[in-house]
Amino acid sequence: SSELTQDPAVSVALGQTVRITCQGDSLRSYYASWYQQKPGQAPVLVIYGKNNRPSGIPDRFSGSSSGNTASLTITGAQAEDEADYYCNSRDSSGNHPFGGGTKLTVL
Amino acid sequence: QLQLQESGPGLVKPSETLSLTCTVSGGSISSSSYYWGWIRQPPGKGLEWIGSIYYSGSTYYNPSLKSRVTISVDTSKNQFSLKLSSVTAADTAVYYCARGHVPHFDWLLLRDWFDPWGQGTLVTVSS
Repeated sequence: SSELTQDPAVSVALGQTVRITCQGDSLRSYYASWYQQKPGQAPVLVIYGKNNRPSGIPDRFSGSSSGNTASLTITGAQAEDEADYYCNSRDSSGNHPFGGGTKLTVL
Repeated sequence: QLQLQESGPGLVKPSETLSLTCTVSGGSISSSSYYWGWIRQPPGKGLEWIGSIYYSGSTYYNPSLKSRVTISVDTSKNQFSLKLSSVTAADTAVYYCARGHVPHFDWLLLRDWFDPWGQGTLVTVSS
């Protein structure tokens, strides 16, 4: 299956750590990439590969992968991290399905 | 710094063909290190990958849209395009173009990703 599954919503207290997960068979062969999207804005890449951050992404964002599950961890969540987060991965057919997205609320 | 910009009609009638162009600036579209993709997002919903085109000309389309989608590249204009035929209201969405990075091994698994993205353009299907 090329589907990626995410929890619809997650909340975290300000300054605490939160993990957002993504499950799918393709993750056994391909890393997930993670995108942050704030209202009215285009998605922004935050994590790709084993655990790579593009320039300008704070180091509180990190990624990991195990089996069919990829995780995005925010260590010390800030108010500005409140957003929708999407995972994406290539599958064996060359398709690139997205997860359904996780809405992160920072309390 | 590479930038992408979507352009095209903001309103399309049902049953007609949606046509969008993505103009790439700050870099060449003709590189074997990258591919070019279209992604859309219906109002209030999640992201949906539409399809991608590679330097070789190979294309990959979302199976749910494959019968209606065509993606092409015009290297002379540094642009790539999307055509979606027989549109309905369900095709109303913000359409994004993005650059994909050809897969490479990173430790044990392959990695690829979309970056950067265009700002997106809203296309409404309505009579």
